[in-house]
Amino acid sequence: QQPVQSPQAVILREGEDAVINCSSSKALYSVHWYRQKHGEAPVFLMILLKGGEQKGHEKISASFNEKKQQSSLYLTASQLSYSGTYFCGSWGKLQFGAGTQVVVTP
Amino acid sequence: DVKVTQSSRYLVKRTGEKVFLECVQDMDHENMFWYRQDPGLGLRLIYFSYDVKMKEKGDIPEGYSVSREKKERFSLILESASTNQTSMYLCASSFGGQTTYNEQFFGPGTRLTVL
Repeated sequence: QQPVQSPQAVILREGEDAVINCSSSKALYSVHWYRQKHGEAPVFLMILLKGGEQKGHEKISASFNEKKQQSSLYLTASQLSYSGTYFCGSWGKLQFGAGTQVVVTP
Repeated sequence: DVKVTQSSRYLVKRTGEKVFLECVQDMDHENMFWYRQDPGLGLRLIYFSYDVKMKEKGDIPEGYSVSREKKERFSLILESASTNQTSMYLCASSFGGQTTYNEQFFGPGTRLTVL
């Protein structure tokens, strides 16, 4: 069963924050985050390999709670360029969530 | 820059035709992957390969086969295309052999329509 992402979609104004969650019913050994802009290929954001690990990319950061089998992606002070669909990918078995569509408006 | 290219951006085929989707990467990556992307379902893994002539099934291998004769090239084959195989197909590659914990680089995708 693929990871479950929430919310399915979020609309933000520039400068606002958002959190995207990714949870799995199976053990997570690592979590990948990707962003796909409309009409383009998915682009890698970050990998989290250890429980409790946190990473950052621009003003986008993520955490990984291995015990809870979940990861969260934090969009801080969102910019127009953050618009796109965000996917989490779980490894152990290669699976992606269905995606969270993020729209940042001026 | 890593480059992953796919043979076609758009493809239209008829039911029952044999379809070949080609993917080439130029970074000497060991791993290559084929996904299909459908609205509301995200990316679903069809097959992946961690070495030449090696392949492993993903979540949805039925109706597909793959070929990897050279390290840089990974082909997806639809033996007899059906309308439910209409989708966006994405190829990806990464370093790592059987370790899949590495960043994947994606190609631009092939939008396949089966009539």
